[in-house]
Amino acid sequence: GQNIDQPTEMTATEGAIVQINCTYQTSGFNGLFWYQQHAGEAPTFLSYNVLDGLEEKGRFSSFLSRSKGYSYLLLKELQMKDSASYLCAVRDWDYGQNFVFGPGTRLSVLP
Amino acid sequence: EAQVTQNPRYLITVTGKKLTVTCSQNMNHEYMSWYRQDPGLGLRQIYYSMNVEVTDKGDVPEGYKVSRKEKRNFPLILESPSPNQTSLYFCASTTRDRADGYTFGSGTRLTVV
Repeated sequence: GQNIDQPTEMTATEGAIVQINCTYQTSGFNGLFWYQQHAGEAPTFLSYNVLDGLEEKGRFSSFLSRSKGYSYLLLKELQMKDSASYLCAVRDWDYGQNFVFGPGTRLSVLP
Repeated sequence: EAQVTQNPRYLITVTGKKLTVTCSQNMNHEYMSWYRQDPGLGLRQIYYSMNVEVTDKGDVPEGYKVSRKEKRNFPLILESPSPNQTSLYFCASTTRDRADGYTFGSGTRLTVV
């Protein structure tokens, strides 16, 4: 089966750095995606990791360790508009190449 | 503009009254999927389709139907809605190998009373 865990909520200050963790257990791992979702809106794609290491995209970076079943999303120079939920999703060969989503982490950025 | 269009955005209906939520994508994507999102439960897959006339059940298919008669359209049908189907629904599409992640529709907030 599949299991994905994320912290439920996090709080950080504007201008700071925050790391959102995601741990997963899947039988046929084939890539990990991070999405951002503002309240009541659709998720939007942030990053994709399939190999170990760090992928950087401006203020956002995502890291993957396949041996540990672990990923994190790093947000730098936090802005108020970064207040949102962050969803970790794993693509699984043994799940028809479908995506399994984690419960999401709600990030609040305070002034 | 590449997008997934979902309608309606909001819908309030009564128990047992059949309804359809439409979904259309203009990116020529083979793969389309429906999700529901509930507090504390995250996104759960209802149905998905890998191509025209090919559909399959996700994790929570009970009470829902879908069809894929054309590549661009993937409607979600609730034949007899019940209050436990009150939720936020998202349609999403991606390429055949799902390498790029999803493009999501803007969501449909359904309330069944």
